[in-house]
Amino acid sequence: RKEVEQDPGPFNVPEGATVAFNCTYSNSASQSFFWYRQDCRKEPKLLMSVYSSGNEDGRFTAQLNRASQYISLLIRDSKLSDSATYLCVVTAPNSGNTPLVFGKGTRLSVIA
Amino acid sequence: GAVVSQHPSWVICKSGTSVKIECRSLDFQATTMFWYRQFPKQSLMLMATSNEGSKATYEQGVEKDKFLINHASLTLSTLTVTSAHPEDSSFYICSASGTSPYEQYFGPGTRLTVT
Repeated sequence: RKEVEQDPGPFNVPEGATVAFNCTYSNSASQSFFWYRQDCRKEPKLLMSVYSSGNEDGRFTAQLNRASQYISLLIRDSKLSDSATYLCVVTAPNSGNTPLVFGKGTRLSVIA
Repeated sequence: GAVVSQHPSWVICKSGTSVKIECRSLDFQATTMFWYRQFPKQSLMLMATSNEGSKATYEQGVEKDKFLINHASLTLSTLTVTSAHPEDSSFYICSASGTSPYEQYFGPGTRLTVT
């Protein structure tokens, strides 16, 4: 089983739509969780951390379910500028020198 | 704050030659620097972790004699791809962290094409 699994997409949605991405992780010892955004041919950039109680940042809401080892990202009122690949990232404290483990990402295209 | 630069941003080289990529933390001292590689439509894969003044620790399957890493100061790490082959063509990204390895700041990446 892969350490971090995501639906690769692509998700093609119209402007204004609400879209949700899911992610599952295999290492139950993971303590920290993040969503990163990566534009084509660019480096990943931290979008938001994910907390157990769930957290919201403007149009973005992240949820964590530790029991199910499941993380989600909800984007409301999608903008064209939201088009990117969204990477689910978890920490792997018991995996040697790999403190961050990246999923393959889910590609989002917001269409006018 | 927390800006990381990489140079060059892209490079094309011939098979058999060596290429050096620099990673600099511009406004903070990086205790640890990480080197990742990303193939198209794949996730970032950690290649190695380096701490200033000590030898890098390589991930399983990454040849340390092929990918030479030097972390000579708290603001600079270099990755040298020696005797490059077309299969080494990839997007190489570095990141730097201060006190926590979980808080990483990424450089803009270097796209390497080996012909």
